[in-house]
Amino acid sequence: AQKITQTQPGMFVQEKEAVTLDCTYDTSDQSYGLFWYKQPSSGEMIFLIYQGSYDEQNATEGRYSLNFQKARKSANLVISASQLGDSAMYFCAMREGLENQGGKLIFGQGTELSVKP
Amino acid sequence: EAQVTQNPRYLITVTGKKLTVTCSQNMNHEYMSWYRQDPGLGLRQIYYSMNVEVTDKGDVPEGYKVSRKEKRNFPLILESPSPNQTSLYFCASSSPTGPWPGELFFGEGSRLTVL
Repeated sequence: AQKITQTQPGMFVQEKEAVTLDCTYDTSDQSYGLFWYKQPSSGEMIFLIYQGSYDEQNATEGRYSLNFQKARKSANLVISASQLGDSAMYFCAMREGLENQGGKLIFGQGTELSVKP
Repeated sequence: EAQVTQNPRYLITVTGKKLTVTCSQNMNHEYMSWYRQDPGLGLRQIYYSMNVEVTDKGDVPEGYKVSRKEKRNFPLILESPSPNQTSLYFCASSSPTGPWPGELFFGEGSRLTVL
């Protein structure tokens, strides 16, 4: 069974508008962490934002926020005021358990976001 | 500058010709791992290492070998590459401490094509 599901293979958004990228996860651990990474066309992986399972507030980082709904097991990424440079592939990922065991994150399939001028 | 460096960035090879992708990190991280990225599948862990001389299989280890003789280096070896190993490969390092537990620091990726 997929542990991280991103149901939107591709999305379009108009420049300056907000967009939500969906991510649902599945784990039986009480302690876990959720990440979003951005992969521009150049290929590198850029860390955007992190949410811990015990964090009561939704994480925010500049124009990025994470809409964390624990009961629904969702961790959607919200990008406000989209810019052309936001066009990229976005990955949701999960760390299961308290510790980062050997550097394992479980990744979703990715969502390709295109920002239209 | 804190970084993870992989080489080569691009490689085209033929079936059966052994190759090594090098990876080095300068952040003194304990953990290092290799991932492969394939369309529609996201990134999947191949092998990981929790310390020098300690390595273990990830989710897709078949056809790969690794070694960790020094803390900073974690090469990925394809002894006899096959076309199904055509992929984008990432080396990543991480630390058990830090503000975002589990955060991976990625290399720039190595695009491998096996003919």
